Amino acid sequence: KNEVEQSPQNLTAQEGEFITINCSYSVGISALHWLQQHPGGGIVSLFMLSSGKKKHGRLIATINIQEKHSSLHITASHPRDSAVYICAATPTGNQFYFGTGTSLTVIP
Amino acid sequence: KAGVTQTPRYLIKTRGQQVTLSCSPISGHRSVSWYQQTPGQGLQFLFEYFSETQRNKGNFPGRFSGRQFSNSRSEMNVSTLELGDSALYLCASSLGVIKEETQYFGPGTRLLVL
Repeated sequence: KNEVEQSPQNLTAQEGEFITINCSYSVGISALHWLQQHPGGGIVSLFMLSSGKKKHGRLIATINIQEKHSSLHITASHPRDSAVYICAATPTGNQFYFGTGTSLTVIP
Repeated sequence: KAGVTQTPRYLIKTRGQQVTLSCSPISGHRSVSWYQQTPGQGLQFLFEYFSETQRNKGNFPGRFSGRQFSNSRSEMNVSTLELGDSALYLCASSLGVIKEETQYFGPGTRLLVL
């Protein structure tokens, strides 16, 4: 069993739609990261959170520690949001466990 | 500030050879971590170095090793290469340790083992 599970694996949306990607984890964590990977491989860290909610532009990340669940929301999606989104958990040790990623395609 | 740089960007090796990859962190960052990404296994944590000390290691065989220098630059070495080592190798740097700081990723080194 993977320590971090993501859903859905693939997601296609029309431009302007509200998008939600979910992440569940089974380990106790000190932080949960959301990463974005564009074709070509470059990875950008979007959020690091350990409680509550964070917002950056059209992106919102939430975490529920009791339920061991986090969500990444994209409001007013745009074709440039097309990428793979990966959640990653840092448990109370110094490891880094990754979800399998959600491939998002936003169609104009 | 310049971002995280990795060299080389692309590499082709044959089975049995060894390879050394280099990572230069963002200036002032003391932590460097390494990751392997393959289509089958996704992203996996290799190890993290902080102030020249390995803080933790992922579930990889001893053929995978690394080190960090006093200027925080890091190298990763893979000995006796296997076909399954073909992957994108990413490093990331941060001010502090992984669990407390945002990671900044380099562009990666694509390794092909023939």
